[in-house]
Amino acid sequence: VQLQESGPGLVKPSETLSLTCTVSGASVGSGSYFWSWVRQPPGKGLEWIGHIYYSGRTNYNPSLKSRVTMSIDSSKNQFSLSLSSVTAADSAVYYCARLVTIFQAVKLDYWGQGTLVTVSP
Amino acid sequence: VMTQSPATLAVSPGERATLSCRASESVSSKLAWYQQKPGQAPRLLIYDASTGETGVPARFSGSGSGTEFTLTISSLQSEDCAVYYCQQYKNWPLTFGPGTKVDIK
Repeated sequence: VQLQESGPGLVKPSETLSLTCTVSGASVGSGSYFWSWVRQPPGKGLEWIGHIYYSGRTNYNPSLKSRVTMSIDSSKNQFSLSLSSVTAADSAVYYCARLVTIFQAVKLDYWGQGTLVTVSP
Repeated sequence: VMTQSPATLAVSPGERATLSCRASESVSSKLAWYQQKPGQAPRLLIYDASTGETGVPARFSGSGSGTEFTLTISSLQSEDCAVYYCQQYKNWPLTFGPGTKVDIK
């Protein structure tokens, strides 16, 4: 299973950050997994942004919920993240990851390599 | 809220490393540990507090339940230098601890 993030590395303040994750080796249309986004500001810790299910059902971190939209495209085996009204605080490495639930365990078992997004004029 | 201690840990090769994670409220055994090496994505090591992910070396073990958890590296290898994060999945949103950096002494 491989995941690869893509999208602009530079976004202007107040604009919308848009990223896509392309998955190989697994199907985003499978009901067995959820597809997640996690971010990490430079030199800091990890923050779960949210996830999307093949049906389009989403679960967002309340701290970002008002600005986050996720979508899924089974035909391209991709899922996407949009984060609106960005500020410098949204500068981070953004990871996409596969989330699997097994007997109530929740595992982020495969991750993309991450993509750095900088918010700057 | 997840907290981790110490923030940094230096251990001699072959020695034991013990990392702690504390939850502000009980998360039962719904806790995972991730390893992150510089410039790399996190890697899942342990879930359900003590179950090793497939392919993870046996020197990594987890214990604890409720609010107190421990990750133990029984015999530190040079390739274990990394930041280790705990993460709870008892409640949404998923939350991570601030991490413990493990260095070779």
